[in-house]
Amino acid sequence: QMTLKESGPTLVKPTQTLTLTCSFSGFSISTPGVGVAWVRQPPGKALEWLTLIYWDDEIRHSSSLKNRLQISTDTSKNHVVLTMTNMDPVDTATYYCARALLYDSRGSYVRAFDIWGQGTVVTVSP
Amino acid sequence: IVLTQSPGTLSLSPGERATLSCRTSQTVGNNYLAWYQQKPGQAPRLLIYGTSTRATGIPDRFSGSGSGTDFTLTITRLEPEDFALYYCQQYGTSSSPHSTFGPGTRVNIK
Repeated sequence: QMTLKESGPTLVKPTQTLTLTCSFSGFSISTPGVGVAWVRQPPGKALEWLTLIYWDDEIRHSSSLKNRLQISTDTSKNHVVLTMTNMDPVDTATYYCARALLYDSRGSYVRAFDIWGQGTVVTVSP
Repeated sequence: IVLTQSPGTLSLSPGERATLSCRTSQTVGNNYLAWYQQKPGQAPRLLIYGTSTRATGIPDRFSGSGSGTDFTLTITRLEPEDFALYYCQQYGTSSSPHSTFGPGTRVNIK
C-alpha cells in the first residue's frame, strides 16, 4: 500500500522559515517516472502547486514562489523535505504532498498526482 | 498556463448528468490534463489523467474528454457521494514546466 504523510509545525511566525517533511512508503522515489510534489490550499480556496522533485533529482518550482522554495530528498530517499522562507500570513494553508507520476511501470505517460497525503495545516501568525 | 473552470457551481439532483468544463490559456497536450475530486476535510483524489483515462478504482460513470484548450469531465449519473469539488490540472509541459490547477467547480445537491 502506498502512503504519504506530511509533518511539521502547525504554527510559524511571519518572516520565519517553514520546513515540512513528507514521509512515504510503498514506492521508491528512485524509480524512473516517480516524483513527489507539494501542493497547498488556503482555507476555502483552490489548490496551488508549489514544487516537485523527480527520481533523477530534476526539480521544478512554481514561478511565483521559486525564490522562496527548496525541495530535497534525504539520503534514505524515503522523505522529501520542503523549505519555504519568509513566511507570511497569506501562506496559511493546508500543505499536501503527493506522488507525482510522470509515467507508469509500463512506460505509459500518466502526468498526474496519483496518491496524496492527508495534509497538514500551517498557520502563519505573530 | 491559466486554467478556467465553469460553471463555478453546479446544482443537480442524484441521477442527473454533470458536465464540467476546463479551459486552458494555451494549448495543452492530451497527456497533460487531469481531474481531481475533493470532499470537505479530505485530500484531493485523482479521477482522470491524460484527459480521458480513469485512475485506478474510479467508476465508469466518470469520463473525460477534450483537446487543445477545451476539456470536459462528465459524470453520467450522479451518485450521492459525487457531490464534491472538482479541479482540473495541467501537469506542465517541457516548454512550460509549471503545473497549475483550475479554480474548481462545486457540484451541489439541488
